[in-house]
This record gives sequence, structure tokens and C-alpha cells, in this order.
Amino acid sequence: QKEVEQNSGPLSVPEGAIASLNCTYSDRGSQSFFWYRQYSGKSPELIMFIYSNGDKEDGRFTAQLNKASQYVSLLIRDSQPSDSATYLCAVHLYNNAGNMLTFGGGTRLMVKP
Amino acid sequence: AAGVIQSPRHLIKEKRETATLKCYPIPRHDTVYWYQQGPGQDPQFLISFYEKMQSDKGSIPDRFSAQQFSDYHSELNMSSLELGDSALYFCASSPSFSNEQFFGPGTRLTVL
Repeated sequence: QKEVEQNSGPLSVPEGAIASLNCTYSDRGSQSFFWYRQYSGKSPELIMFIYSNGDKEDGRFTAQLNKASQYVSLLIRDSQPSDSATYLCAVHLYNNAGNMLTFGGGTRLMVKP
Repeated sequence: AAGVIQSPRHLIKEKRETATLKCYPIPRHDTVYWYQQGPGQDPQFLISFYEKMQSDKGSIPDRFSAQQFSDYHSELNMSSLELGDSALYFCASSPSFSNEQFFGPGTRLTVL
């Protein structure tokens, strides 16, 4: 079992809909969670981070964290075709001494006009 | 805002050659991370440096080495290149006491 898991997709949603991306992690002590967006052939771009249980909103993006269930999600409201990309969940695992991030495999999102 | 700078952006090498990738972190960021991303894969952590000292080591082959210099830029040295080393190599940086990592544009290495 991977330490950070995501459904690889593709997740297809119509333009204007809400896209829901999910991620689970195995290390219960993990404290920091990040969502990166990566367009094909480009570098990962940090779009959200969350440290506390609950919701965190930034524009059209909402990150949700449930440490009891070891689950973090990203909601994208009013999805646009330009949101089509791979979304990487990254976790700073508690059992790591330093600040390395462990990535999930990514979920490919396709927003159809 | 200034971003992470990586050079070169593209590099083509033959098997058994050596390569050096460079990374210039965002100003006032003192921690640098190197990741390798193969086709269709997620980024895999290689190594990181904080204040010019190695802080973490991931799945970095013994053929690779890296260092961080006094101006905080970092170099990844790769020797005896193999076909399987063909990948995107990303550098990321973060400021002190932060887990937020900002990625550079990457170097695409092709080994023929």
C-alpha cells in the first residue's frame, strides 16, 4: 500500500460543475497536506495547503481535512476547462525526520466545455 | 515574484556520460529539494539541503550526488548515466520553518 493514495482518474466533469478530488494517507501522525496542480510537461504548482481539521477556502478551491479518517480532499467550484490538469496530493509524513513530501499518484481532471 | 530557476531546461546525454543540473531557489529560501519524475509518475524525492547541509535523503542512486553552496544554489551531479535516468528533474525551495515547497520549471534529461 502506498503511503499516499489517489484515484488516478481521469475524473471528467462538465464546465461549471464541482470537481471533487480525494486523497488518503497512511501515517496517522502526518501534519501538513498540500495540493499541487500539474499541467502536462510542466512543474507542480502549489494551489492549497491545510494543516488543521476542517475546511479551508481560497477562491474557487476548498481543501478539506479529516485526520481521524486520514483523508484530505480538494473541491473545485465552477470548474473551467483551464482546470484540466493532474492534481497531486502531497503529505509531509510524520515519520519523516525532515520536510520531504510524499506525493500520491495524482488524479487527472478533465473539464469538458 | 521571483521563482525557482533551474538550468538547463533540456539536456541530452549519452549513456555513461555525466550531467550537472543547477537550481537557484527563491530569494531568502534556505532549503532546497530535488525530485525526479518519470513519465506518468508522481515526483519522487531524491535529496534535500538546509543551510548548505544535507537534511534528507530519499531514493537517490549512489551515482548521483548533490550539494548546496554558500549562495544557497544547489547542483545535482549525475554520473554513469543510464537510459532509466531519463526524466524530469525538479528543484523546489522553501523558507525556514515552512513545509510549503515551490517548484522550479524542471530540467528534462534525455539519456540516449
